Amino acid sequence: GESVGLHLPTLSVQEGDNSIINCAYSNSASDYFIWYKQESGKGPQFIIDIRSNMDKRQGQRVTVLLNKTVKHLSLQIAATQPGDSAVYFCAETLGRNQGGKLIFGQGTELSVKP
Amino acid sequence: ETGVTQSPTHLIKTRGQQVTLRCSSQSGHNTVSWYQQALGQGPQFIFQYYREEENGRGNFPPRFSGLQFPNYSSELNVNALELDDSALYLCASSLDPGNQPQHFGDGTRLSIL
Repeated sequence: GESVGLHLPTLSVQEGDNSIINCAYSNSASDYFIWYKQESGKGPQFIIDIRSNMDKRQGQRVTVLLNKTVKHLSLQIAATQPGDSAVYFCAETLGRNQGGKLIFGQGTELSVKP
Repeated sequence: ETGVTQSPTHLIKTRGQQVTLRCSSQSGHNTVSWYQQALGQGPQFIFQYYREEENGRGNFPPRFSGLQFPNYSSELNVNALELDDSALYLCASSLDPGNQPQHFGDGTRLSIL
């Protein structure tokens, strides 16, 4: 079936620590993955993406890891800040083959303690 | 560069009514997707428009319909509103329907009484 799930619905970290948010996906044919951050009252904000021909991609303070063998995706946030507090969603897509449909997980709420 | 904008931000309707939500895509983007997000859930794909044609559709009934205009802006229309249609409706635009990031607006909060 179609589903993208998250292992941890809530995550609380201390300011300055590193955060790791995990995601499992079910469709082995998915070829593109995106992490989004959603703050209260706002739409999802693009953080970073990765294509299925890659295992790792780094951005500013964020790293996404893709393990196709076990269909697992993770988002690492370095030196977590209070402004990082939000709900984080992973999403998968088959691109044009599925009409551009993004399949979202339930989300993980990240809370950063000062 | 102007991002994705949606209007209105909030809307209250009653059961059986019809509603039209609007979306202006990000400059240079020709693809618009619509999602429904219930409270505490991830967004659910409604449909996508590419160059004024529907490119894909999720598991939503036909009373959910859409349009895309030559300037790539888009409308979502919902007929015969039901209580369960209460949700945040999100629009996202992208450079094309392929593996490109979809950039979201802040949504329209629709409440059905």
